[in-house]
Formats: sequence, structure tokens, C-alpha cells
Amino acid sequence: DTGVSQDPRHKITKRGQNVTFRCDPISEHNRLYWYRQTLGQGPEFLTYFQNEAQLEKSRLLSDRFSAERPKGSFSTLEIQRTEQGDSAMYLCASSFISSVVAEQYFGPGTRLTVT
Amino acid sequence: AQTVTQSQPEMSVQEAETVTLSCTYDTSESDYYLFWYKQPPSRQMILVIRQEAYKQQNATENRFSVNFQKAAKSFSLKISDSQLGDAAMYFCAYLEEYGNKLVFGAGTILRVKS
Repeated sequence: DTGVSQDPRHKITKRGQNVTFRCDPISEHNRLYWYRQTLGQGPEFLTYFQNEAQLEKSRLLSDRFSAERPKGSFSTLEIQRTEQGDSAMYLCASSFISSVVAEQYFGPGTRLTVT
Repeated sequence: AQTVTQSQPEMSVQEAETVTLSCTYDTSESDYYLFWYKQPPSRQMILVIRQEAYKQQNATENRFSVNFQKAAKSFSLKISDSQLGDAAMYFCAYLEEYGNKLVFGAGTILRVKS
């Protein structure tokens, strides 16, 4: 078990550019979550997948944001036409639905800076 | 909507002493889960302890224990015998039963003095 991994760890981009982040969940986990964390705040939910299906999206996820999880394995989060307000840490988490509460295991995050 | 409030932006504790971090939450649900997560400076979130709302017994994990007061909607974390490695941001989080998204508080920075 190598844990949840995210790539890249840091991304600096200019306003208006598109960026894509990748998350690799723990291999047997069937749920994958994206959160956004701004400086000094707790993470806020963006969206989640069960296998390859995107089942819930937050109102925070504007139409410039899109997430995919092809084949129910890794996931990508794309932000189009980035804005300075998109600067944040983007966290991915995964969990396995079982008879007990689905504890979420977090990755190290991707820190996005939009200049 | 559920909310989680951590009223202590920052706390300090002397090494080997005990510290308590506060958390309150608001929900109309009767069944739910509460968590404390630790986020060290490297920023990977680690689960510290969890509590099922239907359980009256407070959860304990080694030096970490909680005081869960369901009627008061309070969920505090006690860290005993504090160690330098405990220094981190601590988040309280709520999850509905059968829910999918964690709702986090704003966090408490814990500093441990040697």
C-alpha cells in the first residue's frame, strides 16, 4: 500500500492558462474525492467519484473545472482559464466502501499558484 | 447544512504536557461520524481519531482521546504527553452517515515547546 499520490506537487501558472492535476488512489479504493484548501482554512469538498461515475459536484466547482476518473482508477482535475482565485492546495482522497464508515485517506496535495 | 467550528486558531503546549483542542458542530442528523485530522507542515492529512455518534464511549487512540458530548454538539481532542512531532494543524471534520463529503473546521495550529 503506497498511499494516495498526487502529481505534480507544485504548479505555477499564469492567469488564463489551463492546468491538469492527477491523483492515484489507494489501489483497492473505489471512491475518490477532490477537495480544495486555501491558506489558513480547512479543505472544502469539490467532487467525488464512485468507480468511474462522478456522483456529486459542489457549487464551488465552476464550469471551468472538470474532473474525470476513466476506468475507475486514477483521476484528473482540470482547471481551464485559471484565475488568481484558483490559487490553493488541491487535495485528493480515497476510500473503500465497506460495512464500516468509509474513512478517507488523503494525498499530499498539489499546490497551485496562479500569477 | 452542517457546519464545524474550531474556535481556537492557535494553541501552545509544553512538551510532555496535555492539551485540549475544541470543536463544535451543527447538524440535525442523529447518526454521523466525527474525525480529527492532523496536517503536519508537509501538508499530508493524517487521520488521528474518529468517533461514531451512536457510541457513547469516547474514542481513544494511544495518547489521543476525545470528549464527545452529543447533546452539546461538542467534540474535543485531548493530546496527552505532548511530543514535538504533534506540532501540526489539527482539523475537526464531520461526515453524515452514508455521506460522502467531509465538512471541515478552519483548523487549530498546535505548537509544542521543548
